[in-house]
Amino acid sequence: DAKTTQPPSMDCAEGRAANLPCNHSTISGNEYVYWYRQIHSQGPQYIIHGLKNNETNEMASLIITEDRKSSTLILPHATLRDTAVYYCIVRVGVGTASKLTFGTGTRLQVTL
Amino acid sequence: NAGVTQTPKFQVLKTGQSMTLQCAQDMNHEYMSWYRQDPGMGLRLIHYSVGAGITDQGEVPNGYNVSRSTTEDFPLRLLSAAPSQTSVYFCASSYSGVTDSGNTIYFGEGSWLTVV
Repeated sequence: DAKTTQPPSMDCAEGRAANLPCNHSTISGNEYVYWYRQIHSQGPQYIIHGLKNNETNEMASLIITEDRKSSTLILPHATLRDTAVYYCIVRVGVGTASKLTFGTGTRLQVTL
Repeated sequence: NAGVTQTPKFQVLKTGQSMTLQCAQDMNHEYMSWYRQDPGMGLRLIHYSVGAGITDQGEVPNGYNVSRSTTEDFPLRLLSAAPSQTSVYFCASSYSGVTDSGNTIYFGEGSWLTVV
């Protein structure tokens, strides 16, 4: 199963872009990269996912390197409400038995 | 649309007691799972199910039982509670296609369990 490595914590000024890196050097060709976040002790919230191409939605952008061994989540204009733990997850397994493996994530602190 | 609903939200148990955490989803998802999260840690998979009548173990299954008699419900049973099972429990569900794909996984709001 592919593992992910993230920095334990990052700071970002409100209004600036937050760039959260993730390494997944053992990812296989059919595994997706997911990003979730968890605010306080609420249930994890889906942000974005991708396979090969860069993706963008109303919350964030996901940049995946060409060799797919790392990715970056970009919050273009961070706000105080974006303070959370961000998890980079590789979807493991095949067929219908796929499941998520969580690491310890990156704690993003957005400050004034 | 309620999504994934967990009950109870808070529970205190005595060591040796048994209880069931309930999880229900109204999205007709085949795939459901239970995770636990200890303080300062990421989520760890306890059990999961790919459809009614089918369950399998995750990373930390000991001390827990599950069943999946309907698509909607996936209860988690603690057989004989221990202090080590004090944790926050999250239920999750997703639609699973025939092949592994980028289907979004939805989480419940969590059940806080304390075993004394």
